[in-house]
Amino acid sequence: GAGVSQSPSNKVTEKGKDVELRCDPISGHTALYWYRQSLGQGLEFLIYFQGNSAPDKSGLPSDRFSAERTGGSVSTLTIQRTQQEDSAVYLCASSLGQAVVYGYTFGSGTRLTVV
Amino acid sequence: QQQVKQSPQSLIVQKGGISIINCAYENTAFDYFPWYQQFPGKGPALLIAIRPDVSEKKEGRFTISFNKSAKQFSLHIMDSQPGDSATYFCAARSQGAQKLVFGQGTRLTINP
Repeated sequence: GAGVSQSPSNKVTEKGKDVELRCDPISGHTALYWYRQSLGQGLEFLIYFQGNSAPDKSGLPSDRFSAERTGGSVSTLTIQRTQQEDSAVYLCASSLGQAVVYGYTFGSGTRLTVV
Repeated sequence: QQQVKQSPQSLIVQKGGISIINCAYENTAFDYFPWYQQFPGKGPALLIAIRPDVSEKKEGRFTISFNKSAKQFSLHIMDSQPGDSATYFCAARSQGAQKLVFGQGTRLTINP
């Protein structure tokens, strides 16, 4: 596609429910990143994929968070047993190669609200 | 060590003025310093980036100034326009890593 596509754009869920957030990166981009942006805060790194493997998942805040990437393309971020503090905008970015050389292209994000 | 501190949190500048946003870091292993621009409802977009081997980089009205000894870098927007009103994030990457560490963001408003 022309850009990084994320779905849904908005998600309201009840506390304790599981949610899945989807990211469709730019075709051919081998690197994929998930970040979280809380209100008034900077972007917090969650996980990085190179192809289907995740060499850096150091930012996942708890074992309730998991992510996978299949076919070197689509990625899904899953949050189990959601809590109110999980409310944030979840941003996905992709890169052709090293971010230093090519930079990230971000999607518009999924706004998650846990009520 | 991994933090990037950004200031101010918000900034109001008159049209035609110079907008200046500052960032400071501690980690001397950082080797790449990009700035991102974010409009409401959109993801951040890469604006301009610099490596620590140069002290300044200019692209149009946007300039990054980099002071390696002080571990500080700043974004200057010359002739600021209402269309520049957005949130700006500085970031840094540690050598060998892929992830970026972001500052807290600056909400810039340009008054017409």
